[in-house]
Amino acid sequence: SQKIEQNSEALNIQEGKTATLTCNYTNYSPAYLQWYRQDPGRGPVFLLLIRENEKEKRKERLKVTFDTTLKQSLFHITASQPADSATYLCALGPTSGTYKYIFGTGTRLKVLA
Amino acid sequence: NAGVTQTPKFQVLKTGQSMTLQCAQDMNHEYMSWYRQDPGMGLRLIHYSVGAGITDQGEVPNGYNVSRSTTEDFPLRLLSAAPSQTSVYFCASSKPGLAGGGNIQYFGAGTRLSVL
Repeated sequence: SQKIEQNSEALNIQEGKTATLTCNYTNYSPAYLQWYRQDPGRGPVFLLLIRENEKEKRKERLKVTFDTTLKQSLFHITASQPADSATYLCALGPTSGTYKYIFGTGTRLKVLA
Repeated sequence: NAGVTQTPKFQVLKTGQSMTLQCAQDMNHEYMSWYRQDPGMGLRLIHYSVGAGITDQGEVPNGYNVSRSTTEDFPLRLLSAAPSQTSVYFCASSKPGLAGGGNIQYFGAGTRLSVL
């Protein structure tokens, strides 16, 4: 069955450093991969989308890579700030013939001042 | 625009009770979905709709009903609540073609449901 894995352990990094989060998937060939941010008590908020034929996408301090051979996406936050502390979810989709997306469990990031 | 609005924000039910979680969006999005989020499980799709009058099942549809009579509203009904349905429920909407076909989803703030 299709599976997405994100590091369930929290990631603590020092302010100013680059945070790197990983999303691995199996038994799947998604057309799109998305990253969302979720703050406690709130719904996820879309950050970036990358297509299967794209290797890298950037937006301000954010960078996403997509390696369809390794079946892996990396999400980078450069010059991290305490305000970047949140849970980050990856989502893959749509599944063939549908509009369904599969979400990972998310990785909690804490940026220490 | 309010975006995606969910009501209520919190709800406590007794086993066997029924209720409806409301979801409304004002962005004229064709697609709407319901997810539940549980610790360690991530977001799991319950039901979704690609337009008024069209619904389909997601990954965990048992115990839930949906209907889509208008573009704006997509209520989720719990027929006979069970403790296993204790969760946080999120409604999301999206419009095909946004971001070149990637269907960016816009989420509501969630409904926190406890079934005793």
